[in-house]
Amino acid sequence: DIVLTQSPGTLSLSPGETATLSCRSSQSVSSNYLAWYQQKPGQAPRLLIYGASSRATGIPDRFSGGGSGTDFTLTISRLEPEDFAVYYCQQYVNSPRTFGQGTKVEIK
Amino acid sequence: QVQLQESGPGLVKPSETLSLTCTVSGGSIRSYYWTWIRQSPGKGLEWIGYVYNSGTTNYNPSLKSRVIMSVDMSKNQFSLNLSSVTAADTALYYCASGATKLDIWGQGTMVTVSS
Repeated sequence: DIVLTQSPGTLSLSPGETATLSCRSSQSVSSNYLAWYQQKPGQAPRLLIYGASSRATGIPDRFSGGGSGTDFTLTISRLEPEDFAVYYCQQYVNSPRTFGQGTKVEIK
Repeated sequence: QVQLQESGPGLVKPSETLSLTCTVSGGSIRSYYWTWIRQSPGKGLEWIGYVYNSGTTNYNPSLKSRVIMSVDMSKNQFSLNLSSVTAADTALYYCASGATKLDIWGQGTMVTVSS
């Protein structure tokens, strides 16, 4: 199975700052088959980014994804209060699909 | 706008079968893939597998021997059966659309395995 390791575990930032989240894969994720999700307390995950860098429908442009191969990043520019949440990466190049353990972005 | 809603018992006894249904509204279940995922504090998000309306399935090898997924097009629903459950199967179960990126998620249903 492909193991996805996210870092840091927790990111403490203030509104208006930029968050940079990392997702590292144990194997190359070809064709950039990697997605990012946001999960708020009591809610289901929501698709933010797919194909490593394409924003899902309705996602603000302050969310951007990048990377390739085994190293991927999610950048959230100009953090808004509603952006404080847990973020997960997921690969869909292989079965079983796997998720990272999550990065919590909390208010400093 | 497609919406998904999970339903099923919130409590299942050990060794019994967990059965959940996901109802698709606002769109057709035809010609699309449907996925089940679960989330527990100990294991995070775990992909269970997906089903297509032709009956095509793809299960997580770690659960494959216990999982059956199916689609009922007449009811616009798809389902998950997980047999021989143990306390380790206690989790929040989600259904979602897609087989790769998961576009739309249900709100989730909590299932506890306990006698």
